Amino acid sequence: GAGVSQSPSNKVTEKGKDVELRCDPISGHTALYWYRQSLGQGLEFLIYFQGNSAPDKSGLPSDRFSAERTGGSVSTLTIQRTQQEDSAVYLCASSSRVASGGKSTDTQYFGPGTRLTVL
Amino acid sequence: DAKTTQPPSMDCAEGRAANLPCNHSTISGNEYVYWYRQIHSQGPQYIIHGLKNNETNEMASLIITEDRKSSTLILPHATLRDTAVYYCIVRVAHSGNTPLVFGKGTRLSVIA
Repeated sequence: GAGVSQSPSNKVTEKGKDVELRCDPISGHTALYWYRQSLGQGLEFLIYFQGNSAPDKSGLPSDRFSAERTGGSVSTLTIQRTQQEDSAVYLCASSSRVASGGKSTDTQYFGPGTRLTVL
Repeated sequence: DAKTTQPPSMDCAEGRAANLPCNHSTISGNEYVYWYRQIHSQGPQYIIHGLKNNETNEMASLIITEDRKSSTLILPHATLRDTAVYYCIVRVAHSGNTPLVFGKGTRLSVIA
């Protein structure tokens, strides 16, 4: 089936503008995660959604960042008043808990990412 | 989640086995070992995971030591397309999904 998709693939914006990044998870996956990867850096967790529970926002770097997940499927990450340090690749992943052969797994599958450049 | 230690980089000749080590000496009994890789300009890709038994799939094999303090990811016949950063991650798989904590990984270069 289809994997995780993200749009746009690239976004160039001016400092101070708002941007919205979209993630379409794998159908049926209950958990959705946002990460970001700055140039030459590792992946940094931002926020995740699990079913109908309140999202875990502990990784959001500032209150300019927010995310929502409508209908338990598509998610939008919004960055308000963008700054140059927000430039990064924003990655989305989804997962669903599966138990198989006595081994439990909630393997996360990643999308291709959105490369955000703030000028 | 327990921390992991991986060499920053490794080289491997094309067609040979690539053996990527990972130390996780503080791993807990309910923590799994996951391996992901990230090819340049792509999102991370799941490879394999295990708890205590060795695991094999179409991509790789995972060998976990008996004391579970270390593991090795084996790519049996490395190709140029296996050039990537490989991440070893230890995490608990429980009733709630949790974010992955990525370290710096090992940059594997497969050389023709």
